[in-house]
Amino acid sequence: GAGVSQSPSNKVTEKGKDVELRCDPISGHTALYWYRQSLGQGLEFLIYFQGNSAPDKSGLPSDRFSAERTGGSVSTLTIQRTQQEDSAVYLCASSRTTGGTYGYTFGSGTRLTVV
Amino acid sequence: AQSVAQPEDQVNVAEGNPLTVKCTYSVSGNPYLFWYVQYPNRGLQFLLKYITGDNLVKGSYGFEAEFNKSQTSFHLKKPSALVSDSALYFCAAFRQGFKTIFGAGTRLFVKA
Repeated sequence: GAGVSQSPSNKVTEKGKDVELRCDPISGHTALYWYRQSLGQGLEFLIYFQGNSAPDKSGLPSDRFSAERTGGSVSTLTIQRTQQEDSAVYLCASSRTTGGTYGYTFGSGTRLTVV
Repeated sequence: AQSVAQPEDQVNVAEGNPLTVKCTYSVSGNPYLFWYVQYPNRGLQFLLKYITGDNLVKGSYGFEAEFNKSQTSFHLKKPSALVSDSALYFCAAFRQGFKTIFGAGTRLFVKA
């Protein structure tokens, strides 16, 4: 597609439920990042995929968070047993290379609200 | 540790006046430097980047940024601010083999 697509755009879930957030990167982009942004604040790095390399999971806040990227394309971020502090906008970004040279293209994000 | 600092949480400027949003970095080697903008209720958009060459980089919407290696800074500038420039601005640094590091963001308010 022309841009990075994220779905759903908004998700309201009850505390304790699991949620899945989806990211469709730009075709051919080998690098994919997930970030979290709380209330218009800074970007919190979560996880990074680059081609077939093992993902960099160093930013995942707890073992309730996991992500996968199938076939080097679509990525799913899963949050298990959601907590209210998980409420944030989850942003996905992709890049043609390892993310630096050409900058990122960001999706519009998924706004997650845990009630 | 590698880091990007945006020392001002918020910058206020009157429309028509020049604006500067500051960024300094502590990243070894010769990082690539970026500015992104986030308008209210919208995703982040790429504004401009510096990789090498001329220290003054021009980007979208009339913005430019000045790279200063000795001060490890990459300040964002615009000669004449518009109310529509009001947004959240992020500076970022990237070095090959490492993930991109973002600053905490600076909120720009341009008053009419």
